This record gives sequence, structure tokens and C-alpha cells, in this order.
Amino acid sequence: QVQLQESGPGLVKPSETLSLTCTVSGDSLSEYFWYWLRQSPTKGLEYIAGMFYTGSTNSNPSLRSRVTTSVDTSNNHFSLNLKSVTAADTAVYYCARGVLVTLVPGASRQTYGFDVWGQGTTVAVSS
Amino acid sequence: QSALTQPASVSGSPGQSITISCTGDNSDVGGYNYVSWYQQHPGKVPKLLIYDVTVRPSGVSNRFSASKSGDTASLTISGLQTEDEAEYFCSSYSVSGAVIFGGGTLVTVL
Repeated sequence: QVQLQESGPGLVKPSETLSLTCTVSGDSLSEYFWYWLRQSPTKGLEYIAGMFYTGSTNSNPSLRSRVTTSVDTSNNHFSLNLKSVTAADTAVYYCARGVLVTLVPGASRQTYGFDVWGQGTTVAVSS
Repeated sequence: QSALTQPASVSGSPGQSITISCTGDNSDVGGYNYVSWYQQHPGKVPKLLIYDVTVRPSGVSNRFSASKSGDTASLTISGLQTEDEAEYFCSSYSVSGAVIFGGGTLVTVL
């Protein structure tokens, strides 16, 4: 059974970089697309970025200039860096797996639906 | 990119059917068949109910069904049960390449 677990600091100072890692167990990173999302009372659910094991990434235009992502297939985890954080970045951060639909053997497409989620990690931005 | 529009709350009695709407425009809901729906109980992680507009993942009750017409997607819960009391979110792929979410609808079982 696939499980995702976020890890990282719960408190980040304004203007610094928020760094999170999502460790995947029970699945191979190379078989799915993987995502970062966040949720806050002020902004609701928000898409941050999606990535494939090849390094191909797409991110929310509103966050794109501050987001970098990476995939480590040898350790089966993927990561998020969000730089120059402000109080507006305070949220519960989730990693998630994307549902893939098989088109033909060896080829699949994204559905942009997220079927497995980590438990979420709360990150507060405060001095 | 604006959030998708959902009603703040919907209520119904046990056994009834309710429908939650999710309105966007032709750059998201109307332009792609990549609408998903999630259920979230307080303090819990969102659970995927529907993807690709109408598809239920394995294990999701067939009391949940969904559709789309133009720029508006809809989620219907049939045979409403007390356990269905939760917040429901829609999402859609958008022309920007990102996924956008609705603001959420609180379902109350009377």
C-alpha cells in the first residue's frame, strides 16, 4: 500500500526558504506524477507544483518564480523549495500522487486528480 | 487565475440527493475534461471522489456521481448519509498548466 510522508521544519522565518521532502513507500517514483499542494484558511486548497521522475515540472504561475522541485529516485523521495517566504505562505503542505490513465501499454496520461495524499505538515512563517 | 466558484453550503436530509456546482470558464472547467472532486472531513486529508469529470476511483461509493455542462461541473450525492457531512472541493486543470480549486462547499445532513 503506497504511503507518502512529508518532512521539514514547522517554522520558517520571513524571507527564508521553505524546504520540504516527501518520502514515498510502496511505489516507485518512476511510475507516476507527483505533486505538492497546500491548504490555508485564507487561500483554501492551492496547487504548487507537479513533477515527473525525469525532472519535468510544472508549477503554479503565481508561485513559479519562487518554486524549485527535485526528484531523488534512488531514495524514493521528492522535494520542494519555496524561497522568500512571507506570512502568506503559512499553510498545511501536502504531497500527493497523481492518477494516471493508461492509453496503450507503456503510455499513460495525467488526470490531474490526486488519489494518495500525505498526512500534511503545518508550516508557519514567522520571526 | 481565479478560483472555481462553489456554493458555500448545501444541506439535505438523510436519504435525499443533493448537488454541488462548480463554475469556471473556458480556460479551465469548460476547456478540459480534467475535473476532480474531493471530500474532506475536519482535520483529515482530502479524499479523491471523482476524476476525469465522471470517473470514480475504486472503493468510492456509487452514491457519488458527477457531470459537466459547459463551464459548470456538478457533484451529486444520492441517498445522503450522516457520514457524508464534510467539505467538498472541485478542481480543474487550467490553461496556465496548473490545477485550480474551488473554495469548498460544506455539506450538512439535517
